[in-house]
Formats: sequence, C-alpha cells, structure tokens
Amino acid sequence: AAGVIQSPRHLIKEKRETATLKCYPIPRHDTVYWYQQGPGQDPQFLISFYEKMQSDKGSIPDRFSAQQFSDYHSELNMSSLELGDSALYFCASSLEWTRGVDEQFFGPGTRLTVL
Amino acid sequence: AQTVTQSQPEMSVQEAETVTLSCTYDTSENNYYLFWYKQPPSRQMILVIRQEAYKQQNATENRFSVNFQKAAKSFSLKISDSQLGDTAMYFCAFMKQGPRSYNTDKLIFGTGTRLQVFP
Repeated sequence: AAGVIQSPRHLIKEKRETATLKCYPIPRHDTVYWYQQGPGQDPQFLISFYEKMQSDKGSIPDRFSAQQFSDYHSELNMSSLELGDSALYFCASSLEWTRGVDEQFFGPGTRLTVL
Repeated sequence: AQTVTQSQPEMSVQEAETVTLSCTYDTSENNYYLFWYKQPPSRQMILVIRQEAYKQQNATENRFSVNFQKAAKSFSLKISDSQLGDTAMYFCAFMKQGPRSYNTDKLIFGTGTRLQVFP
C-alpha cells in the first residue's frame, strides 16, 4: 500500500539559509499535518491543512510557512534557519469523512540539520 | 488545553516477559481518541494501538493491549511476550474529535518512554 512520502530525507543547511520540505500524502488523503521532533523530545504539532486550506496552527515560528497544493501535497518553507531548527520533521496524512478511520499515517520524516 | 503525561522515562524488560507502560492525560473533551505510537531507532512513527473514548472495551492488537480508565484519565499499554524488536521509544498520544464529524485532529504526545528489551 502507498505510504506518505517526504523529501528530502536528510537536509543540511547553514544558519540563516532557507529550506523547503515536501510531503506527498497517501492518495486520496485530503488532510496533512506537520510535526517537529527535536532531539530527545516528543513530536510537536506545527500546522495542518484540509482541502488546501490551513485548518489549525500550533507552535510554528513566523519564519516558517506552509501550504497545501491542488494535488494535496504540502510544502513547509523555513527561512532564516537557526540552530534550534535542527529536528526531525514529520508529515502525516489522513482522510476526512471516513467513519471509523480516525488515524494519521506518518511519513518517514525529514531530518534537518542546521550548522 | 489537553496534556499527556508519561511518568516513566525508561523501562526495561526481559524477553518473553510482560511490561506495562503508563500514560495519563487531562482533557475536558468528551469525544476523543488515544493512541500508542512506537518509534524504533529508525525514527519512523508506527501506530501500535488506538482506543476510542466512547468504547468501554479495551483495545487489543495481538501482544499489545491497553487498560483504558476513562474516569481516571489513564491509558496504559501492556506488552506481553516481549520481543527484542519491541525495543523502542513509546509515545502516548491524545487526539480530540475534530471540528467536523468523522475527522482527525492534531495529535498531542507525551514525552515518551524508552523501552529496552533484554535477551
């Protein structure tokens, strides 16, 4: 079965640079969530989209922005990178209006290292 | 706001034995879901088991079962016949029912319990 795809899997950037993380949800899934997991920490919710519209926002810095495109893939744009942005970034997808399937499917994550 | 607490940072168990991981949560919501996720060294997030709050029966998935105590807001995970492959970080997570019927909402995770299974 198709899974959530994230690219790139690993990314190394310098401070103050920009990074773009991509997420391709499971086909037909219309909801995307982004989570950030710092070293030794639990995943923290950043932002979510439903049908290409932002549906919820968590502890996402103003330097970050995201969107969901017409094909339902999503991109997380991160500017003016800081050392503290080094983390594993997960994307998860789910399908609305599916009774009894209230579950998010996680991608493998993108490991971002800021030097 | 919802919170999830895992009071055991680390646990260890011998292969074939049983171990229980604890989780408590706080919420004023009536409709919600609880999950246990496993995160092995690969860092992949793997769903182990889920529980709908409206269901009184505890969920079971093969060697994994939960003890869901809604009034006490407790949601523990029991792993029976532990295997070396169960070694991982385990996260308890809460999800309230979304604003639209039959949909998901953001997950709120606990701080995790690192489980080591010894041969």
